[in-house]
Amino acid sequence: DVKVTQSSRYLVKRTGEKVFLECVQDMDHENMFWYRQDPGLGLRLIYFSYDVKMKEKGDIPEGYSVSREKKERFSLILESASTNQTSMYLCASSTSTGELFFGEGSRLTVL
Amino acid sequence: GQNIDQPTEMTATEGAIVQINCTYQTSGFNGLFWYQQHAGEAPTFLSYNVLDGLEEKGRFSSFLSRSKGYSYLLLKELQMKDSASYLCAVRDLTAGNKLTFGGGTRVLVKP
Repeated sequence: DVKVTQSSRYLVKRTGEKVFLECVQDMDHENMFWYRQDPGLGLRLIYFSYDVKMKEKGDIPEGYSVSREKKERFSLILESASTNQTSMYLCASSTSTGELFFGEGSRLTVL
Repeated sequence: GQNIDQPTEMTATEGAIVQINCTYQTSGFNGLFWYQQHAGEAPTFLSYNVLDGLEEKGRFSSFLSRSKGYSYLLLKELQMKDSASYLCAVRDLTAGNKLTFGGGTRVLVKP
């Protein structure tokens, strides 16, 4: 079974703090993605990566950055967390056909 | 850009059938996915359509008409465990083959 593991299920941070969300997949997938999910807005793509050291902006990249130093690991970074970044963050990896496999999600609260 | 529309919420009775519609507008259609998401959990893959027609998988079927920009997910013999959100997602060749999601349809199955 494909496994996508996110480092933290729940985080509480303060405004201005730097936040790291880690994601690891064990199926040797080339493609990895970070989404955020908010009520009424659905899943929105923040950043994605098709290869090591490669990154592409999604639909809402502002306030975020990413790192893909190894194929299996894709990190999402909030340089200075703000309250409007309180959300559920979902990492996913995909096959060549585009089927996404999601992690369990990280619920971030910024106070 | 893309525009993906699906109803916000639907209610149905156990044992009945429910059809969830999804309409989309995209310049480089390259496949449509349906995902199921139970509350507090990650989305899981249900179906994939890239050619016109019906794909059947047990109690779930998905239909695609590319000329109409339309898909539906059909859930038959509804069970209480089918209460979940159902997400329609479209892959776009002109957008790096990334998936864009609709807002999701929450289905409530009543006894």
